[in-house]
Amino acid sequence: EVQLLESGGGSVQPGGSLRLSCAASGFTFSRYAINWVRQAPGKGLEWVSAISASGGGTYYADSVKGRFTISRDNSKNTLSLQMNSLSAEDTAVYYCAKGRGGTYNWYFDLWGRGALVTVSS
Amino acid sequence: QSVLTQPPSVSGAPGQRVTISCTGSSSNIGAGYDVHWYQHLPGTAPKLLIYGDSNRPAGVPDRFSGSKSGTSASLAVNGLQAEDEADYYCQSYDNSLSGYVFGTGTKVTVL
Repeated sequence: EVQLLESGGGSVQPGGSLRLSCAASGFTFSRYAINWVRQAPGKGLEWVSAISASGGGTYYADSVKGRFTISRDNSKNTLSLQMNSLSAEDTAVYYCAKGRGGTYNWYFDLWGRGALVTVSS
Repeated sequence: QSVLTQPPSVSGAPGQRVTISCTGSSSNIGAGYDVHWYQHLPGTAPKLLIYGDSNRPAGVPDRFSGSKSGTSASLAVNGLQAEDEADYYCQSYDNSLSGYVFGTGTKVTVL
């Protein structure tokens, strides 16, 4: 089955860290860029980060730059998001999403079900 | 706050046509970047509806169509059905932010 499955969500105190993972199956993982998109409670979708197919290119939204690190292991078909210095504003459901399309025209044709991250004291 | 603006809500009776606008600027839609559309039901994975301004992925009914002009794009839903009740988001790239952006989202209600 073609799917993405997030894991690693949970509750963390402000200033803490959390690592999300995304396991891919059913497609050639190493051929596609993968993204993280989040949705805060009651808010819309927000693009967070992306990594190129090879892993050589990484991209971040200004809201997480310097705090979050995206990485991938193509031998294990997995994607990770290391989140540091978390604040309440990072509370959201985090989705991994497979990217397609040309440079600067990526769209997301496969999404996971999401992982909830709650930052609260 | 998003740089792509959508109406918070639209509604229509079954069988009617509704349209959702996505208004951007010269750094995103107006710069020629593609616009894509997603359907999202709370608690589920978002679903790609339209890519590259007006293309439908396999399996998406032809009731859904997309268009783009200038700094705006639109999603039209013809023959509205109860199952279309969901949140809809446009998405593009913004060169001033150097990143991908989503619209503010529109809730579609079937009366």
